[in-house]
Amino acid sequence: ILNVEQSPQSLHVQEGDSTNFTCSFPSSNFYALHWYRWETAKSPEALFVMTLNGDEKKKGRISATLNTKEGYSYLYIKGSQPEDSATYLCASRGQNFVFGPGTRLSVLP
Amino acid sequence: NAGVTQTPKFQVLKTGQSMTLQCAQDMNHEYMSWYRQDPGMGLRLIHYSVGAGITDQGEVPNGYNVSRSTTEDFPLRLLSAAPSQTSVYFCASRSTDRTDTQYFGPGTRLTVL
Repeated sequence: ILNVEQSPQSLHVQEGDSTNFTCSFPSSNFYALHWYRWETAKSPEALFVMTLNGDEKKKGRISATLNTKEGYSYLYIKGSQPEDSATYLCASRGQNFVFGPGTRLSVLP
Repeated sequence: NAGVTQTPKFQVLKTGQSMTLQCAQDMNHEYMSWYRQDPGMGLRLIHYSVGAGITDQGEVPNGYNVSRSTTEDFPLRLLSAAPSQTSVYFCASRSTDRTDTQYFGPGTRLTVL
């Protein structure tokens, strides 16, 4: 079983702050890295699918980078808004998905 | 296009009871899976299926059975419920196009007393 880790476990930021968090995963036999956004009382929604070393994906104020050689991905949120409050999950995709425990982000107005 | 649907949304069982959690998708996805989500832990894979007639165990399969008689449906059966199975259960299906996107159902919150 792959071990996917995320840090920090949780963080609180003020509205307008930029923030970032980390996903680390085993670099051997890498296939793809997925990021999900999970709002309370809802189901996880896909944000990014990343496959190539050096990949950088962007969706609005959220972006992600990927380093497959060292086994990490960063998720960045620029100018955080209260509606960004959610748990952000990463998952390493082999035959199946192995999820990290998530980073819970709270954006305070 | 409803995506991935799950029923029921909530369920309370007594220890030893059995039940089936239903999952269906209308996107013609071959790959479907069941996860459980517990506080402080990531989603853990229970069982998965790569197509009708094919199922396999995930990380935490004990106490659960699945079947896949059609592409659309992937029910999860609890044979004899235990308090350790109190959790939120998510069904998901995955596209096989280049986006490789996984879609989740709304979840079933199960409490075993």
